Amino acid sequence: NAGVMQNPRHLVRRRGQEARLRCSPMKGHSHVYWYRQLPEEGLKFMVYLQKENIIDESGMPKERFSAEFPKEGPSILRIQQVVRGDSAAYFCASSPLGRSNQPQHFGDGTRLSIL
Amino acid sequence: GENVEQHPSTLSVQEGDSAVIKCTYSDSASNYFPWYKQELGKGPQLIIDIRSNVGEKKDQRIAVTLNKTAKHFSLHITETQPEDSAVYFCAASIGGGADGLTFGKGTHLIIQP
Repeated sequence: NAGVMQNPRHLVRRRGQEARLRCSPMKGHSHVYWYRQLPEEGLKFMVYLQKENIIDESGMPKERFSAEFPKEGPSILRIQQVVRGDSAAYFCASSPLGRSNQPQHFGDGTRLSIL
Repeated sequence: GENVEQHPSTLSVQEGDSAVIKCTYSDSASNYFPWYKQELGKGPQLIIDIRSNVGEKKDQRIAVTLNKTAKHFSLHITETQPEDSAVYFCAASIGGGADGLTFGKGTHLIIQP
């Protein structure tokens, strides 16, 4: 039973380019969460999605960042016109039903480096 | 919003001794408290969690206690082993884990042989 799969594991972009991070949830999980982790820091919640819907995007910057979880395919976190401050590890988690009593399981993250 | 404080930031213990990591939270509506272990280059791995209707939970060498009145919860690891060395994060949720988790800043646990 494969876990949460994230790709790429490492991504290098130049300032002003776009970054696309992908997350495939665990089999049977229909809810996805994105978090950002800066060095020596805890994870910060960004956005919570279920298939074709954004449930909570309160932690996501209003500009340049967007997320989707289409009916088919992985969830995508998109960062437009990247800046140095976007350098971080981005983690995706999934849960089965998005209700209480369902722990979130994390992938191994995408390390984004901005040159 | 919720704020989670975690202490200590670094903890070094002798192999075989116990380790205790403490967290406090600010939102009395929080009702779910997971603990994650993160190894270098990996994602957080859930090791134990506790819900607000329970005061203590144990799983082999790992236990978690929750004091709702004081709004703090702790992770206890007994008989520590070298493979316990990692960064440990506490987190809190007001939605039973169905919402975005609020994490502490982590504790780097070092097990000295």
